[in-house]
Amino acid sequence: SQELEQSPQSLIVQEGKNLTINCTSSKTLYGLYWYKQKYGEGLIFLMMLQKGGEEKSHEKITAKLDEKKQQSSLHITASQPSHAGIYLCGADDSNYQLIWGAGTKLIIKP
Amino acid sequence: EAGVAQSPRYKIIEKRQSVAFWCNPISGHATLYWYQQILGQGPKLLIQFQNNGVVDDSQLPKDRFSAERLKGVDSTLKIQPAKLEDSAVYLCASSRAGYSGNTIYFGEGSWLTVV
Repeated sequence: SQELEQSPQSLIVQEGKNLTINCTSSKTLYGLYWYKQKYGEGLIFLMMLQKGGEEKSHEKITAKLDEKKQQSSLHITASQPSHAGIYLCGADDSNYQLIWGAGTKLIIKP
Repeated sequence: EAGVAQSPRYKIIEKRQSVAFWCNPISGHATLYWYQQILGQGPKLLIQFQNNGVVDDSQLPKDRFSAERLKGVDSTLKIQPAKLEDSAVYLCASSRAGYSGNTIYFGEGSWLTVV
């Protein structure tokens, strides 16, 4: 079955630094979603990517989907304490079922 | 626009007891999902409703879990009897239609601890 692999599993970054989180699939993705989760809370929708090569930005967060639609990256510029949390990628697989990565835990050091 | 509402937020029960979680989706959203998320893992779909019909319940442990969505709006997820391994966050979510390009919006989750 298709799976999503996220890397790294966890990340500690000095406040103000840039960082990148990756989400990789062995098969073509038909829709890629990025969510953020704070401990004890639900998932907050960040962005959705559907086309190969697509790139979207919201405030200091940029997400890209590669041309082959098998890998997505989430880039945060000049990280802030408010960026701390767990970042989850989800994707529609070939059967239009939504599959999920295990998440990347981001800690921002002041 | 109001988000997905869930209650209760937190629940502690003993094993073999029962528990019920309630969800009210975003107004106008036809599709409602219940997910189980264990700490350190991604969400696992338990059941998906389209209006008041079940689209996918292949991962719902039907011997102890049940869910209903009467009138195609609110939904209730019940666990009876609970086991220790049911300790998790139960997330309700909704979207205008099914997957494939429709953004899914999540509630804040209901945390269940079974002791």
